[in-house]
Amino acid sequence: DGGITQSPKYLFRKEGQNVTLSCEQNLNHDAMYWYRQDPGQGLRLIYYSQIVNDFQKGDIAEGYSVSREKKESFPLTVTSAQKNPTAFYLCASGLAGYEQYFGPGTRLTVT
Amino acid sequence: AQTVTQSQPEMSVQEAETVTLSCTYDTSESDYYLFWYKQPPSRQMILVIRQEAYKQQNATENRFSVNFQKAAKSFSLKISDSQLGDAAMYFCASKPPSYSGAGSYQLTFGKGTKLSVIP
Repeated sequence: DGGITQSPKYLFRKEGQNVTLSCEQNLNHDAMYWYRQDPGQGLRLIYYSQIVNDFQKGDIAEGYSVSREKKESFPLTVTSAQKNPTAFYLCASGLAGYEQYFGPGTRLTVT
Repeated sequence: AQTVTQSQPEMSVQEAETVTLSCTYDTSESDYYLFWYKQPPSRQMILVIRQEAYKQQNATENRFSVNFQKAAKSFSLKISDSQLGDAAMYFCASKPPSYSGAGSYQLTFGKGTKLSVIP
């Protein structure tokens, strides 16, 4: 069945290590997005991609990187340069310019 | 740039009653989209309802309806016949029109309202 999958659900890493969060969709959506959610906050946009091999920075891109080699996949790497990486990360996809549909999220804890 | 404000951090409602969640927004665009998303304890964001600013008619999805007041830049969500499964965080979001270029892809979210449903 169609949808957006994120893996893993929970992820633990040591400080100083890079970590990659997976996001896959089979909805044939052109656009994909990564958001970060902190307690008591709304969602903040990290990166988005409108088409394959193209992506743009969102409001809080520092310390993160992405790639979009396939339409279905939009992995997010949290680098050691991200000062406060512990958060809940949500991936979304949508037809370009319209509403977005979200995956189940990944809870990243860095100690 | 768009901003979205949800002034009620928490609300509660008795099961089977009606509750209204408030949202105000600010934008310089004359055309835009507004959304309400629900985030239950599972934390997956679920689209509840959408409204196009050029449409005067308020959107409705089953027990969920909106009161869209464009001049006042207000977009409240009404939940009728509240059920236990409605307990969740509710986020209001706005988006520029599709023709506004690269920024048209960006959703701007409010900080959310936590809704509790009392049996």
